[in-house]
Amino acid sequence: QKEVEQNSGPLSVPEGAIASLNCTYSDRGSQSFFWYRQYSGKSPELIMFIYSNGDKEDGRFTAQLNKASQYVSLLIRDSQPSDSATYLCAALSGGYQKVTFGTGTKLQVIP
Amino acid sequence: GAVVSQHPSRVICKSGTSVKIECRSLDFQATTMFWYRQFPKQSLMLMATSNEGSKATYEQGVEKDKFLINHASLTLSTLTVTSAHPEDSSFYICSAAGLAYTGELFFGEGSRLTVL
Repeated sequence: QKEVEQNSGPLSVPEGAIASLNCTYSDRGSQSFFWYRQYSGKSPELIMFIYSNGDKEDGRFTAQLNKASQYVSLLIRDSQPSDSATYLCAALSGGYQKVTFGTGTKLQVIP
Repeated sequence: GAVVSQHPSRVICKSGTSVKIECRSLDFQATTMFWYRQFPKQSLMLMATSNEGSKATYEQGVEKDKFLINHASLTLSTLTVTSAHPEDSSFYICSAAGLAYTGELFFGEGSRLTVL
């Protein structure tokens, strides 16, 4: 069973701080990794994707990938209350082109 | 990103009835559509993958005769929950992908089904 694992949280950070969300995956054949944000009662929306080792930055968001450790993270700088949501990590498997989701980490940004 | 529309957003039905959910890609041709289900406080679970003009591929444990998927055109896929039961109550979400699919999923708004 190919899995993507996340701490369910909640992760609470004060407004303006850096939120760090982590994810591990079991399938070494996974090619690409995605972070989605899901507000309560809504469908997920794509924030970032990453497929190369290292960091990828997009505005306040930075995705980090370490394939050797099978680890993906998402940093949110200058966290805002509007960032409060559940963040889903997902991995695209190499063989079946199937995306597997983690259970998500709930982030709470405290004003 | 791509625009995917899903309808209805909410539906309440009686046990034993059938419910149809539509998923449309509005600004691109969706060669593949994915149907997910999400129970409260759980992650998205892929139910099936459908390719335009062919039969859907169901994930293990998903009953193909209960969850009928039709993908007759490049812009529309439907999921019909047949003989719905309370345990089918869930959040159903579709996603569409074009020929350039590289794993990024753009989701519809989701449909919350409540079976009484």
